[in-house]
Amino acid sequence: GQQLNQSPQSMFIQEGEDVSMNCTSSSIFNTWLWYKQDPGEGPVLLIALYKAGELTSNGRLTAQFGITRKDSFLNISASIPSDVGIYFCAGVHTGNQFYFGTGTSLTVIP
Amino acid sequence: NAGVTQTPKFQVLKTGQSMTLQCAQDMNHNSMYWYRQDPGMGLRLIYYSASEGTTDKGEVPNGYNVSRLNKREFSLRLESAAPSQTSVYFCASSERLTGGMNVAKNIQYFGAGTRLSVL
Repeated sequence: GQQLNQSPQSMFIQEGEDVSMNCTSSSIFNTWLWYKQDPGEGPVLLIALYKAGELTSNGRLTAQFGITRKDSFLNISASIPSDVGIYFCAGVHTGNQFYFGTGTSLTVIP
Repeated sequence: NAGVTQTPKFQVLKTGQSMTLQCAQDMNHNSMYWYRQDPGMGLRLIYYSASEGTTDKGEVPNGYNVSRLNKREFSLRLESAAPSQTSVYFCASSERLTGGMNVAKNIQYFGAGTRLSVL
């Protein structure tokens, strides 16, 4: 099955730093989604992007739908300890099939 | 607002045992899904149900069966568990599976997961 390439695989950052992660695919997607998974919990939707070039914010989180429709980016500004978790991207294909990235594990050092 | 509820949260099985993972959603969603999550593999779709009364195979269906009992409930059954089925299982639901202009209706909401170990 198709997997999205998510990078970096893991990040260790100092509290207060900004974070950037991205997701790329060889296929075009109609929708990009970003989820966060806390330890021991299921993924929770953070941001949904519906149009190429779209830039959407949710508090300290900002995500962009790449112009080529083959990639997406998530930025977290001024990280805090509760940002710790695994961040997943998901792409919705033309046939409305969901494909998930392999995740970016974020550790925030106080 | 419970959302998607999975039971049990943890389970340990011996090879060859059977069990059923339960999932229920209270959002009146039409579509439901079962995924497994393994380290470094992300989420992989096992089975999905586009609507009540229908089920279809996903990426990794072998060794599993599903039942869409009603609109709310979607169960996953392991008939003869194998160590390779040790994983974290997630159920998800969305308003609908495909089609339409409002893609927001396709967004999936996840349960908290079932952690399964097969010895």
